[in-house]
Amino acid sequence: AIWMTQSPSLLSASTGDRVTISCRMSQGISSYLAWYQQKPGKAPELLIYAASTLQSGVPSRFSGSGSGTDFTLTISCLQSEDFATYYCQQYYSFPYSFGQGTKLEIK
Amino acid sequence: EVQLVESGGGLVQPGGSLRLSCAASGFTFSSYWMSWVRQAPGKGLEWVANIKQDGSEKYYVDSVKGRFTISRDNAKNSLYLQMNSLRAEDTAVYYCARVADYGGNSESDYWGQGTLVTVSS
Repeated sequence: AIWMTQSPSLLSASTGDRVTISCRMSQGISSYLAWYQQKPGKAPELLIYAASTLQSGVPSRFSGSGSGTDFTLTISCLQSEDFATYYCQQYYSFPYSFGQGTKLEIK
Repeated sequence: EVQLVESGGGLVQPGGSLRLSCAASGFTFSSYWMSWVRQAPGKGLEWVANIKQDGSEKYYVDSVKGRFTISRDNAKNSLYLQMNSLRAEDTAVYYCARVADYGGNSESDYWGQGTLVTVSS
């Protein structure tokens, strides 16, 4: 199985800030990585797939980078609606797995 | 519009069984791999199982192997999760999700609203 380390688990920021979330794999997964946003009581929503491709309809302030074992989600200018929990997911091999999540809260 | 609607959750005793359903609409269900993902209360997401378009390939997280069975009925545009020998640690919201790419090694682009399973005596 592939182990994932997502950091930080909690991130405090202000509207307008630029933030980054990291996801590190125990082995290389090429670019088989997605990022999801989840708000309380709601299903996750796909933000980025193939490590860096923005899902249709997702604002361009979200971006993803990385390949192999190290990946990053960046939000360039935080908006109020971005305060949520973010998860990475590897789909390189079964069992698929998610990172532990990063809760982005208002400072 | 793609829609996924889960049902079948509820309260069940440890050791009991439950069958979850997911009704799909707005896309050609038989053309897509499908997934179940769960989330324990206050916890993160956990991938549970995937099934290929024709049901010929199924994959599970180790913690449910031998207890859970994923299946589908393409004629009814429905996905299922049969859960047996349920444990307290299976308590979670269960989401069905569509796998975006026909090939299978892909992200989940559409998710249902989830159904809550509570395992407790």
